[in-house]
Amino acid sequence: GENVEQHPSTLSVQEGDSAVIKCTYSDSASNYFPWYKQELGKRPQLIIDIRSNVGEKKDQRIAVTLNKTAKHFSLHITETQPEDSAVYFCAAHFGNYQLIWGAGTKLIIKP
Amino acid sequence: SAVISQKPSRDICQRGTSLTIQCQVDSQVTMMFWYRQQPGQSLTLIATANQGSEATYESGFVIDKFPISRPNLTFSTLTVSNMSPEDSSIYLCSVEKRSYNEQFFGPGTRLTVL
Repeated sequence: GENVEQHPSTLSVQEGDSAVIKCTYSDSASNYFPWYKQELGKRPQLIIDIRSNVGEKKDQRIAVTLNKTAKHFSLHITETQPEDSAVYFCAAHFGNYQLIWGAGTKLIIKP
Repeated sequence: SAVISQKPSRDICQRGTSLTIQCQVDSQVTMMFWYRQQPGQSLTLIATANQGSEATYESGFVIDKFPISRPNLTFSTLTVSNMSPEDSSIYLCSVEKRSYNEQFFGPGTRLTVL
């Protein structure tokens, strides 16, 4: 069935460095790929998304890239700050409405 | 985006009882979803609730255990029935902005079953 794999499960980076989280998906028909940030005790928040008709999207320090041929997409955070510490989830849109979720990446920003 | 509220925000319940969680949205939406999230885990979809039709349940979830209502385009409830400690989790509702596929989440309900 449909599947989204997310790596790494934990990522620790020095403040100011970049962080990259990668996801692969199984269904080549997927056309929408959101990324969510979830801080401890809070709801998941949509931070950026990309659709299958573009290869890259950027919003300030956050960018997402999509490789449809390889069926993977990545989240890039530059100039990381302490407030970037959270769990990040990727997802892929399957069928007519369902999101399939990655397992999550705990991002730790070291001061 | 959408403004979504959930009630209750948390509850502690005895096994064998039932709890109904409410989800209210500030605008009409077609698709509403109910998720469960165990501590440190990803989101697991329980069911999809469309107004005017029966909810669609995912594998491993059944209507008798998780009955859902969707009386209008801004409101839904999820009931966790005959609870056991294994039902302790965070329950989240979400809505989809249909034209964009974006999903937005409610604040969640933290359920503890003793």
